[in-house]
Amino acid sequence: GENVEQHPSTLSVQEGDSAVIKCTYSDSASNYFPWYKQELGKRPQLIIDIRSNVGEKKDQRIAVTLNKTAKHFSLHITETQPEDSAVYFCAACYNAGNMLTFGGGTRLMVKP
Amino acid sequence: DAGVIQSPRHEVTEMGQEVTLRCKPISGHNSLFWYRQTMMRGLELLIYFNNNVPIDDSGMPEDRFSAKMPNASFSTLKIQPSEPRDSAVYFCASSSFQAGTFSSYEQYFGPGTRLTVT
Repeated sequence: GENVEQHPSTLSVQEGDSAVIKCTYSDSASNYFPWYKQELGKRPQLIIDIRSNVGEKKDQRIAVTLNKTAKHFSLHITETQPEDSAVYFCAACYNAGNMLTFGGGTRLMVKP
Repeated sequence: DAGVIQSPRHEVTEMGQEVTLRCKPISGHNSLFWYRQTMMRGLELLIYFNNNVPIDDSGMPEDRFSAKMPNASFSTLKIQPSEPRDSAVYFCASSSFQAGTFSSYEQYFGPGTRLTVT
């Protein structure tokens, strides 16, 4: 089955700096890669996703890149703000399966 | 749309008791997922239903856990008997899935049930 590794497990940045979270996956058949944000005590919510036919996707301050050859994808947050503080999960899914395999999560702390 | 609804939001029970968690997916969604979240193991998929049929239950930890989906608008996750190591937050999520397309795979999570087994 799919295995998703995520790092770092914790990340502390100064407000205004950029944050990068990286994930690797094992199943070359995976073709959908979402990122979820989970605030303390809340449910995970999708913030951005990328499909295997695209190498990069951007939405305001967040962007995701995908390298299918190397089987890794990354989340980039620019101009971080205190409200970006949360746990971020990457995940991978293959079209026929519809099941997400989640990474272990990254706790991002943005210091004012 | 009310989103995915879960009940109860909190459950405290004693070891050995039966626990039933409930989920109502978003209307029109055909896929339903049960997850368990703990600090040690992260977010784990327990079972996945598509069109009310269990597709993959390989994540169900043991026979004490069972899940049903009697219709498109309701699912239960039952633990019998419960043990302290079952303490976790249990999330239900739903999505609208069409195999072979790049349609939305987004999973919408419910608010979760925080289970404490003493």
